[in-house]
Amino acid sequence: AQSVAQPEDQVNVAEGNPLTVKCTYSVSGNPYLFWYVQYPNRGLQFLLKYITGDNLVKGSYGFEAEFNKSQTSFHLKKPSALVSDSALYFCAVRDMPAYKLSFGAGTTVTVRA
Amino acid sequence: NAGVTQTPKFQVLKTGQSMTLQCAQDMNHEYMSWYRQDPGMGLRLIHYSVGAGITDQGEVPNGYNVSRSTTEDFPLRLLSAAPSQTSVYFCASSYSMEQNTEAFFGQGTRLTVV
Repeated sequence: AQSVAQPEDQVNVAEGNPLTVKCTYSVSGNPYLFWYVQYPNRGLQFLLKYITGDNLVKGSYGFEAEFNKSQTSFHLKKPSALVSDSALYFCAVRDMPAYKLSFGAGTTVTVRA
Repeated sequence: NAGVTQTPKFQVLKTGQSMTLQCAQDMNHEYMSWYRQDPGMGLRLIHYSVGAGITDQGEVPNGYNVSRSTTEDFPLRLLSAAPSQTSVYFCASSYSMEQNTEAFFGQGTRLTVV
């Protein structure tokens, strides 16, 4: 069975500092990993995905994620956080059966000015 | 291009009432799904459809029905609302079931059952 874990409920950083949101996964086959962001009272927006290839994936709004197969992790990163990055972030994995995206519980990011 | 559109945005129901949450997408996506979002639990799959006329259950289907008469529309019906169905509901679509395909989400329906 596939699953993802986001070990931190909340992450607080100062504007301009690096931001990391952690995610670990468990799948039976090859991992197809996604990050989504949810702003208040909005739907989920796709940020980036890992399919295969380079372990560093670049996505929207300056975010990137690092895939580490040995540690089964897919951490989301941003070199310099903005106040506008404050939101709820979800990691998700798509495994067989392919219809299902399994989401982590989410991490609330707060970036203080 | 509107993407995925959900209506209504907010709804309050009394226990035992029924209602239908609407979802429409204009991207000609074959695959559509419904999720519910509850605090600390992420999103859980309720029902999904791989094309017009085809639906199947997800991980939390009890108390919900779906139909897919057209490619564009995928309504979710609550048969007899219960307080446990208080949640935020999201409809999503993707252009295929391939594992590398991201999903596009609607803005959600916040449902309260009293």
